[in-house]
Amino acid sequence: SQQGEEDPQALSIQEGENATMNCSYKTSINNLQWYRQNSGRGLVHLILIRSNEREKHSGRLRVTLDTSKKSSSLLITASRAADTASYFCATLFNNAGNMLTFGGGTRLMVKP
Amino acid sequence: DGGITQSPKYLFRKEGQNVTLSCEQNLNHDAMYWYRQDPGQGLRLIYYSQIVNDFQKGDIAEGYSVSREKKESFPLTVTSAQKNPTAFYLCASSGSRDRAIAKNIQYFGAGTRLSVL
Repeated sequence: SQQGEEDPQALSIQEGENATMNCSYKTSINNLQWYRQNSGRGLVHLILIRSNEREKHSGRLRVTLDTSKKSSSLLITASRAADTASYFCATLFNNAGNMLTFGGGTRLMVKP
Repeated sequence: DGGITQSPKYLFRKEGQNVTLSCEQNLNHDAMYWYRQDPGQGLRLIYYSQIVNDFQKGDIAEGYSVSREKKESFPLTVTSAQKNPTAFYLCASSGSRDRAIAKNIQYFGAGTRLSVL
């Protein structure tokens, strides 16, 4: 079941602006991951943050995790038209083995 | 998409017909997964396999079947019992169990788009 919920569902920004998307979940997690999907393609892993971490960076990506609020955010700085894609959070719940639960995604459009 | 090959890219099913979607990986991963994605939606888990000759139902297994006879291969059959099969199907795999974090990161194929004639 999809326990991760993302908002906004869609986001449209101009090139150069920052994009922030959020993910909320309901039960305690082992880690939380963000994936990207270009239209009609498979998902690509972007970044993983463990439950004992609060912030992580990878290039222009910044992920935060607030386990008390059961939420995470993905920030893409200085966005480019090539960042246009859908972004999904995926949570690994405790006692779930290797199973990830994916959210519904945020569709990001970056206008040149 | 590297390392996981899904075929065909597009597939058409006639009513009452079973069709099989192929998924092959050369990443030496133990676990493999099948997801269904409807337009504008997230991923829903159909079946998963943690090891050869073993698999479990996911959230929406009805009307689907799988096999895992080889580590590299995890084919999905969409049976005639699946009344609404039109969707984008994604196969994924994740790493060996002795790498605690790596095992949780999933690698995806390029997907198969299934339509009903």
